[in-house]
Amino acid sequence: DAEITQSPRHKITETGRQVTLACHQTWNHNNMFWYRQDLGHGLRLIHYSYGVQDTNKGEVSDGYSVSRSNTEDLPLTLESAASSQTSVYFCASSELRAPYEQYFGPGTRLTVT
Amino acid sequence: DQQVKQNSPSLSVQEGRISILNCDYTNSMFDYFLWYKKYPAEGPTFLISISSIKDKNEDGRFTVFLNKSAKHLSLHIVPSQPGDSAVYFCAASGGGGSNYKLTFGKGTLLTVNP
Repeated sequence: DAEITQSPRHKITETGRQVTLACHQTWNHNNMFWYRQDLGHGLRLIHYSYGVQDTNKGEVSDGYSVSRSNTEDLPLTLESAASSQTSVYFCASSELRAPYEQYFGPGTRLTVT
Repeated sequence: DQQVKQNSPSLSVQEGRISILNCDYTNSMFDYFLWYKKYPAEGPTFLISISSIKDKNEDGRFTVFLNKSAKHLSLHIVPSQPGDSAVYFCAASGGGGSNYKLTFGKGTLLTVNP
């Protein structure tokens, strides 16, 4: 069965370190997204990609970057981790047809100390 | 500017009764509206959607109603079951920009008591 996976599921890192969260999907979807979920804010879009070599900033992109070298993977990099980036991160992918539902991974809980 | 709003952070209902979750939006150009359910320590899962040209969509115990003039939609769960206890997110696609991006509300925590 097709799926979307994230690794690691939990990560503790120190302020200032570079961190990369992995996202891998076997749906063969062109569209991929990264969100963060924080209490009182719901799901906020960080970055998204509509295909290989395409990346776009979302509403909370500062301090994050992504790259898309193949269809299956969209890694999220925190260039210099900050305590404000402690959150739960979700990766998602979607089809090209309506209603454009997104399929989510299980999430990565990141703690920056 | 919050384009999709879920004004009730939480809702508690008794098993067997109806649960009604509400969502308001400000952008009249949204094309589709979607509901997601999220259990703790899991990713959100798609539940049901409705096109902006419809006013009702039903799938088993779940029905979504859309009132375009009021820019309001609601999710009805009948009958509610303890396994329905989760956070429910309302989302919308389109809005004048890319159809592929979803704009999410902040979520409503539903608790169904046995």
